[in-house]
Amino acid sequence: QQPVQSPQAVILREGEDAVINCSSSKALYSVHWYRQKHGEAPVFLMILLKGGEQKGHDKISASFNEKKQQSSLYLTASQLSYSGTYFCGTEHAGNMLTFGGGTRLMVKP
Amino acid sequence: GAGVSQSPSNKVTEKGKDVELRCDPISGHTALYWYRQRLGQGLEFLIYFQGNSAPDKSGLPSDRFSAERTGESVSTLTIQRTQQEDSAVYLCASSPAPGLGYGYTFGSGTRLTVV
Repeated sequence: QQPVQSPQAVILREGEDAVINCSSSKALYSVHWYRQKHGEAPVFLMILLKGGEQKGHDKISASFNEKKQQSSLYLTASQLSYSGTYFCGTEHAGNMLTFGGGTRLMVKP
Repeated sequence: GAGVSQSPSNKVTEKGKDVELRCDPISGHTALYWYRQRLGQGLEFLIYFQGNSAPDKSGLPSDRFSAERTGESVSTLTIQRTQQEDSAVYLCASSPAPGLGYGYTFGSGTRLTVV
């Protein structure tokens, strides 16, 4: 079953923060996060394995709550380059990813 | 190669014709995935190959869709008797191995338009 992402869209000014959430109704093995710019392929950002870890690089980080079967992606001090559609992908028992519907993020100057 | 290569990048076909889409994964990646993305939508799983195991075909929308993979290399996705609702971008991805903490590397996709 497809994970649910929220919000569906968000508009930010440069320097503002955003949180994107991803929820699943099934037990999760891992959660992936990808960013897709218009007309381009999705690009891998990070993966979180079950165990409730938090990861990050630069000003983008993510958390994974295994008990709640949720993951959140945190974008701090957003830059124009962060604009795009963010997808979470959920993995169950080491198989293929099921992707959420995406969150469209637009960062304005 | 350095990345996942897909061909053709664009394909316009007439309704009822068959089409074949090709994917060259990253060398050494045992897992290969096909996804479909309709305009403005998310990624819809189609089929998954892992090494020499039987493929997971659970996402194929109808028996008009089929896919093959030669060992751990090239894969082809075939759509027979194309319909207008088949119009979409078909994305291929590969990863070193599933379930071990690796992300997917996507190709640039094949944009299929059925007229």
